[in-house]
Amino acid sequence: GAVVSQHPSRVICKSGTSVKIECRSLDFQATTMFWYRQFPKQSLMLMATSNEGSKATYEQGVEKDKFLINHASLTLSTLTVTSAHPEDSSFYICSVSRLAGGLGEQYFGPGTRLTVT
Amino acid sequence: AQSVTQPDIHITVSEGASLELRCNYSYGATPYLFWYVQSPGQGLQLLLKYFSGDTLVQGIKGFEAEFKRSQSSFNLRKPSVHWSDAAEYFCAVGAGNQGGKLIFGQGTELSVKP
Repeated sequence: GAVVSQHPSRVICKSGTSVKIECRSLDFQATTMFWYRQFPKQSLMLMATSNEGSKATYEQGVEKDKFLINHASLTLSTLTVTSAHPEDSSFYICSVSRLAGGLGEQYFGPGTRLTVT
Repeated sequence: AQSVTQPDIHITVSEGASLELRCNYSYGATPYLFWYVQSPGQGLQLLLKYFSGDTLVQGIKGFEAEFKRSQSSFNLRKPSVHWSDAAEYFCAVGAGNQGGKLIFGQGTELSVKP
């Protein structure tokens, strides 16, 4: 498998502030990374596909101005939750794919628990 | 539209008993199919995958799954469950023509009785 890290693992922030979550592919260069959101006891919902050097592709219903994604290098993608509100509290998970376009197997990070107070 | 259904939200089995977790998918073409396991506080780990070829696929930790096109199913099985198998299990379908997007089922929580 592949090693994917996320930082921080847990974060608590106040309503109205912004939070940045990092996703790193530690042992291979990933042209495509994915960001998911998981509510308690629920499934993973794809938020966006992050492509190195280009704009992210957001899923329907996901606010791109609220969830800013930057894939600045082949090993790092960041998700910034802007002007966070309590309803943004969730578990955010990233994944990376070895293959161009994100095809095939994805390797997942351990997730980041965001709590907005 | 693609979808994945895991009919069982929670299953409890005794240690040493056999296990089958159900997964049904909806997709027009031949899908890529995956089973992932998520333990508390940990990321998703791939158990096995089906892309093509032999419809019975072997995975890690003694798991296997069988792709049945006629039933649109990809059920996960294990002949003898261990206490360490207690976790959340997710079935997912991927579409090659959609840039590798994965659609996940709702998940099945497995509890193992001693």
